[in-house]
Amino acid sequence: ETGVTQTPRHLVMGMTNKKSLKCEQHLGHNAMYWYKQSAKKPLELMFVYNFKEQTENNSVPSRFSPECPNSSHLFLHLHTLQPEDSALYLCASSQDLRGRDEQYFGPGTRLTVT
Amino acid sequence: QKEVEQNSGPLSVPEGAIASLNCTYSDRVSQSFFWYRQYSGKSPELIMSIYSNGDKEDGRFTAQLNKASQYVSLLIRDSQPSDSATYLCAVNIPNSGYALNFGKGTSLLVTP
Repeated sequence: ETGVTQTPRHLVMGMTNKKSLKCEQHLGHNAMYWYKQSAKKPLELMFVYNFKEQTENNSVPSRFSPECPNSSHLFLHLHTLQPEDSALYLCASSQDLRGRDEQYFGPGTRLTVT
Repeated sequence: QKEVEQNSGPLSVPEGAIASLNCTYSDRVSQSFFWYRQYSGKSPELIMSIYSNGDKEDGRFTAQLNKASQYVSLLIRDSQPSDSATYLCAVNIPNSGYALNFGKGTSLLVTP
């Protein structure tokens, strides 16, 4: 679990707030991901970065804004969220973007939008 | 949208028994398959990956892949109460080699 860290672990925010989620990986990986996990639904891929460059935006609303300043750090900036955005947000990393590269997850941020 | 299907369960097995978890996938050209374990309130933890037809064993876990039938399974031998969790099957999306499609997971309960 310490290979990929996420802060905060829990976050409650109002619909008009702006907050950021942070992810850091200590595995020397080049690729990082944001996933959303809602109750009763499969994990949904949101964004993918490889060597700091965004390679995937899976039709995510603009109220979610990712930032990847380097290969070890990934942020998810949140603004004007909706209650249906309440979910577990998971960061993951992998060595590269090859199909066989295993993805390792951080502990997640449990987000509640009120 | 290509799908990954798992029986949601719960699958209940007695301690010491073999638990068998199944997963089917719809994209015939998928090449990489992963099993994750997720305890309640925690994040997914990678258990095994498998890429070739046949069996792959790691300790009490065996992954089985049959690409012709588009079927992948996970066997847990000598099941322990600590194995009680949700098991997620993930399959790579071939057009974007790295992205994964996840199933909704199977809940496993190992009873003492």
